[in-house]
Amino acid sequence: AQKITQTQPGMFVQEKEAVTLDCTYDTSDQSYGLFWYKQPSSGEMIFLIYQGSYDEQNATEGRYSLNFQKARKSANLVISASQLGDSAMYFCAMREGFGGGYNKLIFGAGTRLAVHP
Amino acid sequence: DTGVSQDPRHKITKRGQNVTFRCDPISEHNRLYWYRQTLGQGPEFLTYFQNEAQLEKSRLLSDRFSAERPKGSFSTLEIQRTEQGDSAMYLCASSSRRDTLPRYNEKLFFGSGTQLSVL
Repeated sequence: AQKITQTQPGMFVQEKEAVTLDCTYDTSDQSYGLFWYKQPSSGEMIFLIYQGSYDEQNATEGRYSLNFQKARKSANLVISASQLGDSAMYFCAMREGFGGGYNKLIFGAGTRLAVHP
Repeated sequence: DTGVSQDPRHKITKRGQNVTFRCDPISEHNRLYWYRQTLGQGPEFLTYFQNEAQLEKSRLLSDRFSAERPKGSFSTLEIQRTEQGDSAMYLCASSSRRDTLPRYNEKLFFGSGTQLSVL
């Protein structure tokens, strides 16, 4: 069975500094997709970044980058130049199954990030 | 796009009562998902619709839960004879082929959820 583990319940970072949120995963599939979503206090989950298992380059989206280490089964999110608005819950997720069809996601327990001025 | 809309935002009910939640996906999104999120946990998949067809139901969805998507537009999630263990945030998400990522992966667009408290 697939599983996502986020071992950091909470993280603190100073504004303008970089922060890494950890995510490890377990799957027997050869092809899989990894996602990071942000959940502000308003509740909606916001898509941040995606990494495919066959992608040779680490994914980047603006201030977000994904440190993908396939052999270690880790997909850590790096947020550069943290802003106060980055304070939120962050969830790592994996798509169950692969190929065509719908995207059923398995989520980790999340990491609460607090950005201090 | 106006985003995924969920109603109500909060619902407080007494144990044993029935409740119904509504989700309006982004227009033209043919895929719709329901997830449940309990305190301190990530969301868990409940069910999936492609247009009006319900294609998968999680074993988390007991017989007391029913979801519909008539005409393939909005969706409702009903919980009958609510129990305290049903207290959670119920999240709706939608997606379409326009938001496809590589290898058939998709961005999901989530609503703000309905927070259910069963007393």
